[in-house]
Amino acid sequence: GEDVEQSLFLSVREGDSSVINCTYTDSSSTYLYWYKQEPGAGLQLLTYIFSNMDMKQDQRLTVLLNKKDKHLSLRIADTQTGDSAIYFCAPAPNDYKLSFGAGTTVTVRA
Amino acid sequence: DAGVIQSPRHEVTEMGQEVTLRCKPISGHNSLFWYRQTMMRGLELLIYFNNNVPIDDSGMPEDRFSAKMPNASFSTLKIQPSEPRDSAVYFCASSFMAGAYEQYFGPGTRLTVT
Repeated sequence: GEDVEQSLFLSVREGDSSVINCTYTDSSSTYLYWYKQEPGAGLQLLTYIFSNMDMKQDQRLTVLLNKKDKHLSLRIADTQTGDSAIYFCAPAPNDYKLSFGAGTTVTVRA
Repeated sequence: DAGVIQSPRHEVTEMGQEVTLRCKPISGHNSLFWYRQTMMRGLELLIYFNNNVPIDDSGMPEDRFSAKMPNASFSTLKIQPSEPRDSAVYFCASSFMAGAYEQYFGPGTRLTVT
């Protein structure tokens, strides 16, 4: 099956940029997703990128995809306290199954 | 729309008891997913329904787990008998298309088996 790896923790100062990295093993994913989970809540779709794209920008979010290296990243510009959450990288190696990474806990400090 | 609705939000039960978790997907969505989240194993897909039919149940841990979707607006996940290792947060998600596109997650049911 698909292996998805993310660093577990990221601490960032408010106003700085956050970069969350993800590597995966299955190159067949058509879509690659980023989900956000706040404490005690379900997962919320943040953004996604189609596999034939290198970059996608959506307001403060920038997704970069390097298919050759099987590397996906999420950049959050001007990080705010409300961005503190767990972020999951989720490639979709088939048409319905998401492969979730372990999640990166982002802590925003003042 | 109210989003995906799950009940109960919290469940505490004793080992050996039957547990039933419930899910109401978003109206108009034809795909439904049950996930389990634990610290040790992260998020795991348990079962996927499309148009009320189970398509992939390869993630269901064992025969103690069963899931049904009697109609487009309701699904259940049952554990019988429950064991302490079943303690986890169980999420239901639904999507509009038959695929992984934009799955919308419910708030989850936190199950504790003592």
